[in-house]
Amino acid sequence: EPEVTQTPSHQVTQMGQEVILRCVPISNHLYFYWYRQILGQKVEFLVSFYNNEISEKSEIFDDQFSVERPDGSNFTLKIRSTKLEDSAMYFCASRNPSGRQETQYFGPGTRLLVL
Amino acid sequence: DAKTTQPPSMDCAEGRAANLPCNHSTISGNEYVYWYRQIHSQGPQYIIHGLKNNETNEMASLIITEDRKSSTLILPHATLRDTAVYYCIVRGFTSGTYKYIFGTGTRLKVLA
Repeated sequence: EPEVTQTPSHQVTQMGQEVILRCVPISNHLYFYWYRQILGQKVEFLVSFYNNEISEKSEIFDDQFSVERPDGSNFTLKIRSTKLEDSAMYFCASRNPSGRQETQYFGPGTRLLVL
Repeated sequence: DAKTTQPPSMDCAEGRAANLPCNHSTISGNEYVYWYRQIHSQGPQYIIHGLKNNETNEMASLIITEDRKSSTLILPHATLRDTAVYYCIVRGFTSGTYKYIFGTGTRLKVLA
């Protein structure tokens, strides 16, 4: 069964450093999402992406964040200058555009720790 | 804010049915109810979804009340592996996207 994959599974970085989190969505999906979950808190929407542009972003997704689909398979989240409060699990999700296939499927997540 | 309310926790004996309720009294006519679960800190796992009819798949059944203001997820024979946080999500189309707004979910503990 196809699934969303994410790399790395864990990332430790120093405050102020740039990180890139990578996702490979399910191959025939066209909509892509990033969510995050700070330890012990709710899963929060960050951004949605379709047709090579951002469809919607939350207030969390400020200028330090960017997303890109550099090729036909990868979808990346970049944090330009990490802050301590960026420490969280980051989940990528993807979905198909039509009918009952509009369900979002989530990857296993990347645990980001900013020191 | 999430459009759903769920009890924070529930226990269920292994082998018994787990019935997880969800209230979504402000749901609109074209909004679907989705259920996901999260085991430890893994990615949310899709379980089932519905609009107004009851639904069943290999994992669970979803019962939606006639007025659509509440629903129940049923795991017919809970196992220890079903211990997880279960999220009920009302998915609507806002600002051009189908984002999910997660609540705090129900922490289900299946007891041996």
